[in-house]
Amino acid sequence: DTAVSQTPKYLVTQMGNDKSIKCEQNLGHDTMYWYKQDSKKFLKIMFSYNNKELIINETVPNRFSPKSPDKAHLNLHINSLELGDSAVYFCASSQLPGLAARYEQYFGPGTRLTVT
Amino acid sequence: AQKITQTQPGMFVQEKEAVTLDCTYDTSDPSYGLFWYKQPSSGEMIFLIYQGSYDQQNATEGRYSLNFQKARKSANLVISASQLGDSAMYFCAMREGDAGKSTFGDGTTLTVKP
Repeated sequence: DTAVSQTPKYLVTQMGNDKSIKCEQNLGHDTMYWYKQDSKKFLKIMFSYNNKELIINETVPNRFSPKSPDKAHLNLHINSLELGDSAVYFCASSQLPGLAARYEQYFGPGTRLTVT
Repeated sequence: AQKITQTQPGMFVQEKEAVTLDCTYDTSDPSYGLFWYKQPSSGEMIFLIYQGSYDQQNATEGRYSLNFQKARKSANLVISASQLGDSAMYFCAMREGDAGKSTFGDGTTLTVKP
């Protein structure tokens, strides 16, 4: 059973398009995250949701909008895609905030987004 | 200031030898967690080991151990008896605050030589 799944695994699209990446976790975790890993492998947190509520919102362009329909799902919608958005996007989940420092994050397989 | 610093962009180790990957961190939060993840060339992120800020003993998980020196704010990963499959990128990360915000280091690429 896949703990954290993402779709699609690969996404190739043109500048200006709008795209979504979906994430689902079956671990029963309350907290989910989106990370961006750039071409140099730097990994940066973008957003975090706890039980459908946004709790971390890093300096990310407004074109990126996370949506959490329930605590098992966290989707990422990107408007007006730019070349610089090309990266690998990882979804992750973990246990409760407040105690979050004690718990590891479980990562999805990543979505490689290529904007041409 | 960098919250997590990994000073070794690349490391080489001979198969079956031990290797230490360095990590220093910076936080004023008394409660934090330190983590190491492995990212092989296939791209997935694999959790390896965790050390809590209040833990008295160094964490160990199989061939992985964490050399935690709180006063120095360092959390080095030691891999014993290296295997070819250990070749990967290794990330040190810290979680802090109620939201458990994670900060990752820039990573160290480990290459195990046969």
